[in-house]
Parts: sequence; structure tokens; C-alpha cells
Amino acid sequence: GDSVTQMEGPVTLSEEAFLTINCTYTATGYPSLFWYVQYPGEGLQLLLKATKADDKGSNKGFEATYRKETTSFHLEKGSVQVSDSAVYFCALGDYSGNTPLVFGKGTRLSVIA
Amino acid sequence: DTAVSQTPKYLVTQMGNDKSIKCEQNLGHDTMYWYKQDSKKFLKIMFSYNNKELIINETVPNRFSPKSPDKAHLNLHINSLELGDSAVYFCASSQGRTSGYGQYFGPGTRLTVL
Repeated sequence: GDSVTQMEGPVTLSEEAFLTINCTYTATGYPSLFWYVQYPGEGLQLLLKATKADDKGSNKGFEATYRKETTSFHLEKGSVQVSDSAVYFCALGDYSGNTPLVFGKGTRLSVIA
Repeated sequence: DTAVSQTPKYLVTQMGNDKSIKCEQNLGHDTMYWYKQDSKKFLKIMFSYNNKELIINETVPNRFSPKSPDKAHLNLHINSLELGDSAVYFCASSQGRTSGYGQYFGPGTRLTVL
């Protein structure tokens, strides 16, 4: 079945550092890929998405490119802020059948001033 | 305007009790979900309803019973609560049965069973 693997955390960075959170997937079809963010005590918010190969999703300075050849969707940000501290989830969505999102295990990011 | 709302936000109860969590979405979506998030932040799908029809029913104890009175509401009733039921429960919604378009999540209900 479909699966998502993302780097384990926690990740601790200083403010203004460059962020990469790796995400790779396994899927039989042509999935959509998502990054969700969960701030402390809150629900999951859709951060960005890409629906086909080579698409780049971007939002709030975060970017991720759907790479079919490497089955990856790595999340990047050029300069993180303290307010970016959260748990980040990579997820895979399928267009076939009755399918829920498949989530990675989440990566906790802490940004220190 | 809250797109997906859940009540209550916090629920503290004793073992053996029965409790319900309510979820409502005002996005006009026709599919709703319940997820359980454990202490390690792992998210697990529990149920999904499309237009009041149960379409996903994962391996969940039958003490958990979802009910969808209409496509904008999906409630979760839990009988005979156990310590292991302590978790955060998230409701979500999407347009269509598939997850290809993504899902929108509620703020979560933190359930603590004592």
C-alpha cells in the first residue's frame, strides 16, 4: 500500500537558518502530496500541496517540489523564525477509491532565537 | 468563520464512562473523517463518511461508533472508555471520497481518561 517516510526529529535550528525536512513516498498510482503543520495545541493546517510531478507548492516562505524520479517531496525554507516551531507532517493523497490521507510520522521543529 | 469545528476541545472523564465528540463543517464538503493522534503525534484514520454513508471503517474497537446525521456533521460516540483511549481526536472533511484534493482539519479534542 501507499506509505510516507519523513525524517525523524526533533530538529532544532537557530533563527534564520535554512530548513530541510525530507519526505519520500511509495505509491502505486499518481498521488497528490501535501505538507501539513501543527502548531502547539492546535489542529493540522494545510501548508502547501502539489498535485503532479514537477509541481512546486509554496506558502509562507516554505516550498516543496514533487519529484517523481526520486519519489520525494522535501520541505524547505530559507530562513526560519521562532514562530515556525511546530510539527510538520508530509502526507499523500490518492484519487482512486475511498482513500484517506496517508501521513508520515511527523517531524518536530524547534527554532531558537 | 470556523471551517471545521469540534466540541468539546478538552474532555476529561473516568474509565468506564460513555462520551461523545461532535464535529461540524461549513465548507459544503461531502466527506468527513475521524483521526486519532497518539502521544507521539502519530495520526491514524478511524472512520470516514460520505453523504452519511460509512466508507472507511478501520480496525477500531466497536466501543467507538460514528454517527452522521447529515453531511455537515459527524459525531463520535465512545462507550466504556479505557485508559488507552486517551489521545487527541481530529475531525476532517474533504470534497469527494478520495484524498487527492486534501483534507481540512478541526482543532482537535483532547480526551483524557483517568
